[in-house]
Amino acid sequence: NAGVTQTPKFQVLKTGQSMTLQCAQDMNHNSMYWYRQDPGMGLRLIYYSASEGTTDKGEVPNGYNVSRLNKREFSLRLESAAPSQTSVYFCASSVLLSYNEQFFGPGTRLTVL
Amino acid sequence: SQQGEEDPQALSIQEGENATMNCSYKTSINNLQWYRQNSGRGLVHLILIRSNEREKHSGRLRVTLDTSKKSSSLLITASRAADTASYFCATSGQAGTALIFGKGTTLSVSS
Repeated sequence: NAGVTQTPKFQVLKTGQSMTLQCAQDMNHNSMYWYRQDPGMGLRLIYYSASEGTTDKGEVPNGYNVSRLNKREFSLRLESAAPSQTSVYFCASSVLLSYNEQFFGPGTRLTVL
Repeated sequence: SQQGEEDPQALSIQEGENATMNCSYKTSINNLQWYRQNSGRGLVHLILIRSNEREKHSGRLRVTLDTSKKSSSLLITASRAADTASYFCATSGQAGTALIFGKGTTLSVSS
């Protein structure tokens, strides 16, 4: 089992460009999450999907959109990237929202110039 | 806004010593979880303690939970250089809410 995979690992964008971060899990988990991690800020939840077909905003959703494509895949889209979105992005999944441990992907390091 | 606050922010110890990290939170929880993050990697789950539990052990890890004080502690006994990492607590509130992570404690273990 690969667990949680994320692509790409690194990305550099110019201000105003768009991109989609991909996440997939092969553990048959119901819930999936997108976080960003900035120095000194810990992990902040951007969006989450409690189950296939549902998505909800987290703490810092502005500037992002998500799609729960199917049970395995959960993508994060930046429509018009800004320097403030320079961060490391982590995808995670769990069996059920909140009740179980989360499994994390390796992260995507994004720089917006 | 973050629910959990870890203390201290940074901790430096020698190999063989014990490391204690604390987490305080604000609202009632369903469970509290601890995660470890090695530099440049994703988070790895260490231990989950439910609100009706007071203590849990896993190998060299011991977690306590005091719901009356809204606090938890993570004890790593006989630390090793490989324990060098950042440690995060995360709290789960009512059903249907996502985990909220604290800002983490950075542990450095020198040999």
